[in-house]
Amino acid sequence: TQLLEQSPQFLSIQEGENLTVYCNSSSVFSSLQWYRQEPGEGPVLLVTVVTGGEVKKLKRLTFQFGDARKDSSLHITAAQPGDTGLYLCAGGSTSGNTGKLIFGQGTTLQVKP
Amino acid sequence: DTGVSQDPRHKITKRGQNVTFRCDPISEHNRLYWYRQTLGQGPEFLTYFQNEAQLEKSRLLSDRFSAERPKGSFSTLEIQRTEQGDSAMYLCASSLDRGQAFFGQGTRLTVV
Repeated sequence: TQLLEQSPQFLSIQEGENLTVYCNSSSVFSSLQWYRQEPGEGPVLLVTVVTGGEVKKLKRLTFQFGDARKDSSLHITAAQPGDTGLYLCAGGSTSGNTGKLIFGQGTTLQVKP
Repeated sequence: DTGVSQDPRHKITKRGQNVTFRCDPISEHNRLYWYRQTLGQGPEFLTYFQNEAQLEKSRLLSDRFSAERPKGSFSTLEIQRTEQGDSAMYLCASSLDRGQAFFGQGTRLTVV
């Protein structure tokens, strides 16, 4: 069974601080995605990484896929209150050809002004 | 708006009642997924359709749950004899083959 462990589960920081969220597994994933979810809404895709060692940047967000494609990190520089939300990592299952996603538990981020 | 649409957005029901949710995927998408998300957790996979064929069901999908996608377009998820433990957000997603999955806004179910 493929599992993804996210840490930390909760993070409360002041505006302007930097933070890193980790997503770890003992399994290899074909791809790894990061989503952001607002309360009462569905997850919205931020980025997909597919190659081991890949780094992608989206404004103040930096995403990295581990060399062995088992882990990933999300780094936010100079966090802003608008970054508040639930951040989810999700791996593409390597079992079969379903395209289903296996999600981590999520990291709830609160950025205080 | 041509995104994934779910209806209703919220549903409150009494324990023991049946409920049905609808998902309208993006029109050209052949794959449709249902996930369940409880408060403070990540979504968990429930079931997957390719066109009208239901190709995978999670063990989370007890025999009280049934999903259909009769014409390969919209899908319904029915829960019979609801229990308080069924309270959750039910999310639908669609994709074209193994491309990016787009999620709907979800249906929040509360069983009282």
